[in-house]
Amino acid sequence: GAVVSQHPSRVICKSGTSVKIECRSLDFQATTMFWYRQFPKKSLMLMATSNEGSKATYEQGVEKDKFLINHASLTLSTLTVTSAHPEDSSFYICSAMTGYGGFYEQYFGPGTRLTVT
Amino acid sequence: KQEVTQIPAALSVPEGENLVLNCSFTDSAIYNLQWFRQDPGKGLTSLLLIQSSQREQTSGRLNASLDKSSGRSTLYIAASQPGDSATYLCAVEGNTPLVFGKGTRLSVIA
Repeated sequence: GAVVSQHPSRVICKSGTSVKIECRSLDFQATTMFWYRQFPKKSLMLMATSNEGSKATYEQGVEKDKFLINHASLTLSTLTVTSAHPEDSSFYICSAMTGYGGFYEQYFGPGTRLTVT
Repeated sequence: KQEVTQIPAALSVPEGENLVLNCSFTDSAIYNLQWFRQDPGKGLTSLLLIQSSQREQTSGRLNASLDKSSGRSTLYIAASQPGDSATYLCAVEGNTPLVFGKGTRLSVIA
């Protein structure tokens, strides 16, 4: 089955530094990848939609200059949290979408837990 | 290893009907269960979150229940509308990261 990986799975960084999270579709090509974040005891929330070769589309309230998304190829999207602060500590999950003709499937990565100290 | 199953895989109903989507999970040691909606080609939209200590949550025409001991959750949609047509996913959070079911594809026929 389709597999999506994320790296790193867990990262601790100091306030003010930037952190890059990678999302890869291992055995399929994904024209669209999604980035989500989840705060403790809260629901998963969509942050942005990433299309290969074009700018990401951010959901309302998500700062595009803070959460830089690059979808460089059909198998790789990266999320960079710039100048991270403790309030950015969260669980970040990506998903990769495949499909056509109105029938799509979304495959989720295992997530990255970011802790900003 | 947590496994999440959703039944049925697809469902077609006439407009106005009440319907129930089912979600079951194998490990009852969960923190919460979430229901999402996925429109074709779009990201997930969060519908309801039920904490492990809760038994149900309601939002408009949606009601989700949780029976943690039996490893089951249901999503009840009242008075279905064509705009409800989408894929509905449930996901559980426990000691492992979120585990998703494969979804139920719902079609509401006008």
